[in-house]
Amino acid sequence: ETGVTQSPTHLIKTRGQQVTLRCSSQSGHNTVSWYQQALGQGPQFIFQYYREEENGRGNFPPRFSGLQFPNYSSELNVNALELDDSALYLCASSHPLFRQAQHLYGYTFGSGTRLTVV
Amino acid sequence: DAKTTQPPSMDCAEGRAANLPCNHSTISGNEYVYWYRQIHSQGPQYIIHGLKNNETNEMASLIITEDRKSSTLILPHATLRDTAVYYCIVSVRSSYNTDKLIFGTGTRLQVFP
Repeated sequence: ETGVTQSPTHLIKTRGQQVTLRCSSQSGHNTVSWYQQALGQGPQFIFQYYREEENGRGNFPPRFSGLQFPNYSSELNVNALELDDSALYLCASSHPLFRQAQHLYGYTFGSGTRLTVV
Repeated sequence: DAKTTQPPSMDCAEGRAANLPCNHSTISGNEYVYWYRQIHSQGPQYIIHGLKNNETNEMASLIITEDRKSSTLILPHATLRDTAVYYCIVSVRSSYNTDKLIFGTGTRLQVFP
């Protein structure tokens, strides 16, 4: 089985531009969460998608938006980029039954997309 | 906000057990404790999780106190490759009965030869 894949791995954008980051969830996982990790900090929860609907959101402005597709892959869109948006963006997927079964290994994270805003 | 408190850093000699503590005094009865680690520039890696019983897998053991207000992650024989930031996380239930993981600042574990 494949893990979580994210694209692109690195990206440089100019302040004010828009960006779309992509995530393919692990096979059998129907929940996708997005995190922002600034340098030296822990990952900050942006939002979660479950069955194509937003299912909880962290303290991020509306210019951070997302989508989940029928195949459970997901996109993170950020409009009007600011310098402080420079970070590692992580996607994580999970199996619906992982709470009950240790072997389902909880959330699986991708390696992230490193976004630099200049 | 994160519901856990961890020491910012710890050292451990290679081959020794690494015991990483975590306080989660406000944990609710149906909230799980998760441990993840993050090696530099990689995505967090799942280690283990539990509700109230102690858990063990091929990577580590998780000891949860009877009152569930704290826990300890045990790496029985630390290696240099275990050097990483370790996050203790209490999950937050979402409206569709799924879990959200809210990370804190973690413990930076340095394993030395």
